[in-house]
Amino acid sequence: EDKVVQSPLSLVVHEGDTVTLNCSYEVTNFRSLLWYKQEKKAPTFLFMLTSSGIEKKSGRLSSILDKKELFSILNITATQTGDSAVYLCAVASSGNTPLVFGKGTRLSVIA
Amino acid sequence: DAMVIQNPRYQVTQFGKPVTLSCSQTLNHNVMYWYQQKSSQAPKLLFHYYDKDFNNEADTPDNFQSRRPNTSFCFLDIRSPGLGDAAMYLCATSTSGNTIKYFGPGTRLTVT
Repeated sequence: EDKVVQSPLSLVVHEGDTVTLNCSYEVTNFRSLLWYKQEKKAPTFLFMLTSSGIEKKSGRLSSILDKKELFSILNITATQTGDSAVYLCAVASSGNTPLVFGKGTRLSVIA
Repeated sequence: DAMVIQNPRYQVTQFGKPVTLSCSQTLNHNVMYWYQQKSSQAPKLLFHYYDKDFNNEADTPDNFQSRRPNTSFCFLDIRSPGLGDAAMYLCATSTSGNTIKYFGPGTRLTVT
């Protein structure tokens, strides 16, 4: 059975800290890995990763995929209170099978 | 501009009273999804349409039905809501394949 495991499940940091969120997966016929940010509403798309070793970057957020070790990390540098959210990782396999979501990491950034 | 629109944003219904949630999209994506998300849990796929082809997840209760009259619209019907159906319902779209970049804002359903 396909599965996606995120760690930690929750995390509290102070403003300015750097955080690393982890996502490991076991999926048949892997195609891509996606990261989303979810505040008190629907998930918003952050990154899609398909190739190992190529960093995707957007402002203070970056992510990288390791297809050999079957994991991805999401880094947030110089965290701000606005980064407080649940970060979801999901994996897509080839064909039209639905995304498999992890349970998310709840990040709380305190001033 | 909103690309995936859900109505209503908040819905209160009584136990056993049918309710319909709607989703529309301006992206012309051929795949539309309905997810249920309960507090502190990952989104759970209920069903999806690939064009007009309906795909029901094996563990989606019969109480949940869906209609997609055209490419732009998709509806979620809950025939007899129970207290356990209170959740956020998310609509999402994608092009061929399963990479979802667009979720609607969600409808939060309360069952009294």
